[in-house]
Amino acid sequence: AAGVIQSPRHLIKEKRETATLKCYPIPRHDTVYWYQQGPGQDPQFLISFYEKMQSDKGSIPDRFSAQQFSDYHSELNMSSLELGDSALYFCASTRLALSYNEQFFGPGTRLTVL
Amino acid sequence: SQQGEEDPQALSIQEGENATMNCSYKTSINNLQWYRQNSGRGLVHLILIRSNEREKHSGRLRVTLDTSKKSSSLLITASRAADTASYFCATEAAGNKLTFGGGTRVLVKP
Repeated sequence: AAGVIQSPRHLIKEKRETATLKCYPIPRHDTVYWYQQGPGQDPQFLISFYEKMQSDKGSIPDRFSAQQFSDYHSELNMSSLELGDSALYFCASTRLALSYNEQFFGPGTRLTVL
Repeated sequence: SQQGEEDPQALSIQEGENATMNCSYKTSINNLQWYRQNSGRGLVHLILIRSNEREKHSGRLRVTLDTSKKSSSLLITASRAADTASYFCATEAAGNKLTFGGGTRVLVKP
């Protein structure tokens, strides 16, 4: 069965650079979530999209932005990168038409900021 | 404050033993989910229990939910070395986003 795809899997950037993370949800899933997991920490919700519209926002810095495109894939854009942005970034998808919300997670993108 | 908090933070058991971990949360929820994460890798969904359910089984996993105490437990029976991982509970409330707990690191020794 198709899973959530994230690219790239690993990314190394310098401080103050920009990064773009991509997420391709499971086919027919209409909702995408982004989570950030710092070293030794639990995942923290960043932002979500339903039918290409932002549906919820968590602890996402103003330096980050995201969008969901017509094919339902999503991109997380990160600018003016800081050392503290080094983390695992997960994308998850679900189909909200279902009676419960089981989120399927991608393998994550490991971002290292030097 | 954290929505979900897990207890214990770390657990070391012998293969074949049972592992139990607990999760507490603070607000009303739609459902509670358990995930497993191998070191630095992706989150694997284990089981979802809805707010109107009290117990659920899936293979060697047993999850309970007590909404009056705002707590859940995950029991892994007959543990295997491959069960070594971090286990997170996550609650889903209004808005559908998941709020994760601190995780329990489980080490199953062969």
